[in-house]
Amino acid sequence: GESVGLHLPTLSVQEGDNSIINCAYSNSASDYFIWYKQESGKGPQFIIDIRSNMDKRQGQRVTVLLNKTVKHLSLQIAATQPGDSAVYFCAENTGTASKLTFGTGTRLQVTL
Amino acid sequence: EAGVVQSPRYKIIEKKQPVAFWCNPISGHNTLYWYLQNLGQGPELLIRYENEEAVDDSQLPKDRFSAERLKGVDSTLKIQPAELGDSAVYLCASSRGGRGEQFFGPGTRLTVL
Repeated sequence: GESVGLHLPTLSVQEGDNSIINCAYSNSASDYFIWYKQESGKGPQFIIDIRSNMDKRQGQRVTVLLNKTVKHLSLQIAATQPGDSAVYFCAENTGTASKLTFGTGTRLQVTL
Repeated sequence: EAGVVQSPRYKIIEKKQPVAFWCNPISGHNTLYWYLQNLGQGPELLIRYENEEAVDDSQLPKDRFSAERLKGVDSTLKIQPAELGDSAVYLCASSRGGRGEQFFGPGTRLTVL
């Protein structure tokens, strides 16, 4: 399949290590944040979300941290696997409607 | 449950030609979105429907782009005429309600020559 992005920031991690992907968001009024995973040739896939009244949320092998003071979001993936290789996007939602603004993606490469 | 279906998956046309993309959302999802994704960037919203009503089309270039969702289910996005800069992936997504989780289709990759 075709590449999602050829000039994205890239994070390379070894299989089994933990990965941390960072995102700076722009709107201090945003109240809902989502991390998406996009594999080559596919649409974005929901990973985990967090609301602005929380600073941490955990899922299966993934944790999202939210720092509203500096408008920063991070995604932590524990025990990274080859299947985690993809481009990861954060998205922010402002207001009552589901209007998402996506950030710049990060390509995660998992090496064996 | 079937996911969001889009067709065609790939389309190659010459500039100034028309092109149309089709999307069938997940059953029961009343909110439908069309996004444009340029290479190396995140998706950008073009238009959002609540049932058959376009509630946000502020980012849709209306001189050449149009969309419809006549029966509040499937939707068509059209470009006429296409320009070289329209080459991108066009993604469709749907959600149950305006604040529900958005599920994306695989996209249509458009190449304008």
